[in-house]
Amino acid sequence: QKEVEQDPGPLSVPEGAIVSLNCTYSNSAFQYFMWYRQYSRKGPELLMYTYSSGNKEDGRFTAQVDKSSKYISLFIRDSQPSDSATYLCAMGGNYGGSQGNLIFGKGTKLSVKP
Amino acid sequence: EAQVTQNPRYLITVTGKKLTVTCSQNMNHEYMSWYRQDPGLGLRQIYYSMNVEVTDKGDVPEGYKVSRKEKRNFPLILESPSPNQTSLYFCASSFLGHGNSPLHFGNGTRLTVT
Repeated sequence: QKEVEQDPGPLSVPEGAIVSLNCTYSNSAFQYFMWYRQYSRKGPELLMYTYSSGNKEDGRFTAQVDKSSKYISLFIRDSQPSDSATYLCAMGGNYGGSQGNLIFGKGTKLSVKP
Repeated sequence: EAQVTQNPRYLITVTGKKLTVTCSQNMNHEYMSWYRQDPGLGLRQIYYSMNVEVTDKGDVPEGYKVSRKEKRNFPLILESPSPNQTSLYFCASSFLGHGNSPLHFGNGTRLTVT
């Protein structure tokens, strides 16, 4: 079983739709959960950062972490064509060394159609 | 502006011809890392550095070398490139290098080895 699983998509939605992106993981030591957005021909950029379980909201974006189910989600409300990108989940723990490196999902490609 | 700068952005070379991809960050970050991104495989870590003169292998280090002589610079060296190293490469840095420290990425170097 891979440490982090993410459906690669592609996911195509109409403008204004609510988008749900998800990752599952197997390592119960993960404490920090992040979502990165990657536009074509660009490097990933941090979108959301969450510690432990719970929700975090930033504008149209909401990140959820359910540690009991080892499941994280990113919701995008009122999606816009400018949200079209690849979304990568990433997670890690505070245990340093090579094991402290972030582990990335493979990314979900999202397309929002006008 | 806080950033990670990689050069060159695009590189086409032939098998066996040594090359170096440069990476520089202006955020005084301790931690730097190199990734390669391939379709269907996601981001895979090549090498990382926790501080000056401290480097360690990631998941796919074969065929690559790195050095960290200065805090801001972390070049990636391919001594004898081969076609299977054709990929999109990203340099990244973070303040702490633990799982709780978000990574800042460069805009990538697309390498083609013929």
